[in-house]
Amino acid sequence: AQKVTQAQTEISVVEKEDVTLDCVYETRDTTYYLFWYKQPPSGELVFLIRRNSFDEQNEISGRYSWNFQKSTSSFNFTITASQVVDSAVYFCALSEAHNYGQNFVFGPGTRLSVLP
Amino acid sequence: GAGVSQSPSNKVTEKGKDVELRCDPISGHTALYWYRQSLGQGLEFLIYFQGNSAPDKSGLPSDRFSAERTGGSVSTLTIQRTQQEDSAVYLCASSSSGPSQYNEQFFGPGTRLTVL
Repeated sequence: AQKVTQAQTEISVVEKEDVTLDCVYETRDTTYYLFWYKQPPSGELVFLIRRNSFDEQNEISGRYSWNFQKSTSSFNFTITASQVVDSAVYFCALSEAHNYGQNFVFGPGTRLSVLP
Repeated sequence: GAGVSQSPSNKVTEKGKDVELRCDPISGHTALYWYRQSLGQGLEFLIYFQGNSAPDKSGLPSDRFSAERTGGSVSTLTIQRTQQEDSAVYLCASSSSGPSQYNEQFFGPGTRLTVL
């Protein structure tokens, strides 16, 4: 069975601080996909990144970076020099290849508050 | 617009009444998902449609919940004899999934259902 854990329920940082959101997953598949989504106060989920299990290269996109480590089943997300607009709930999600196109499993989310 | 749309944006109903929630996916997307997000919680998978195949209903919480997708496009989620615990935001997502690659889900703005 697949499972996603986001142990941090809420995080508060001051603007310009760096912050890392943790994501740990469980799967028996060797082929799977990991995702991060952002849900701002407006409520609409925004796709941030997809990573497949064969690509362990870290990804950087502007102030965002992702660290995928299969050895620890983690896919952590770091925001560098955080801004107030980064305040949102962030969800990590997993989809197994054998359930191709079928249900995602989402973590419970981490609420990030960036204070000015 | 080009995104996923949902209607109504808000629905208030009395306990015991039936409600219908509508989702218009992105044109050309063959996969459609329904999720439920209770206040402060993560996303709970409800049902998945892929083209004209039989839907994956494994996430539906009870037989009061049903969904259909007409013509492989618009979907309606129906909740019969609503209960107060059905109060949540119901999110719809679509994706363009194919046999050789997996694409991210694009989410609609959700329908906030309140059962009094």
